[in-house]
Amino acid sequence: SQKIEQNSEALNIQEGKTATLTCNYTNYSPAYLQWYRQDPGRGPVFLLLIRENEKEKRKERLKVTFDTTLKQSLFHITASQPADSATYLCALVGGFKTIFGAGTRLFVKA
Amino acid sequence: DGGITQSPKYLFRKEGQNVTLSCEQNLNHDAMYWYRQDPGQGLRLIYYSQIVNDFQKGDIAEGYSVSREKKESFPLTVTSAQKNPTAFYLCASSIGGTLGDTQYFGPGTRLTVL
Repeated sequence: SQKIEQNSEALNIQEGKTATLTCNYTNYSPAYLQWYRQDPGRGPVFLLLIRENEKEKRKERLKVTFDTTLKQSLFHITASQPADSATYLCALVGGFKTIFGAGTRLFVKA
Repeated sequence: DGGITQSPKYLFRKEGQNVTLSCEQNLNHDAMYWYRQDPGQGLRLIYYSQIVNDFQKGDIAEGYSVSREKKESFPLTVTSAQKNPTAFYLCASSIGGTLGDTQYFGPGTRLTVL
């Protein structure tokens, strides 16, 4: 069955460092991969989309990579700030179906 | 002020009762979705609708029902048949139901069964 994995352990980093979050998947060939941010008690907010034929996508301090051979996406936040603290979800899109990961909680300490 | 709204934010239900969660959007989106979020799990699709008067079951539709009588509205009813309804419920919409459409989420409703 299709499976999407994000690190369930929280990631703690110091302000100013680069945060790197991982999304791995199996038994799936998504056409797109999306990343969302979710704050406690709120709905997810869309951040970035990357297509299967794209290796990298950037938006301001955010960078996403997509390796369809490794079946993995990496999500980077450079120069991280305490305001970046949240849960980050990856989502695979293929057919008319979107599969969400459980998310990784990021804490950025001042 | 465009967006997607859900009400109520918190809802308490006694066992055996049906409850209806509201979802409204003024984004003029064709597609709407209902997800359930439990701790440690990804969002799970309950129902989705690509157009008015049409909807499809998602992965965990048992014990739930929906209607789509208006483009703006997609209410979800949690029936007494749903064995474990306590969860965080999220409504979303997208421009269309096509591949890769970004989904815009509402603020969620937290349902607790007493």
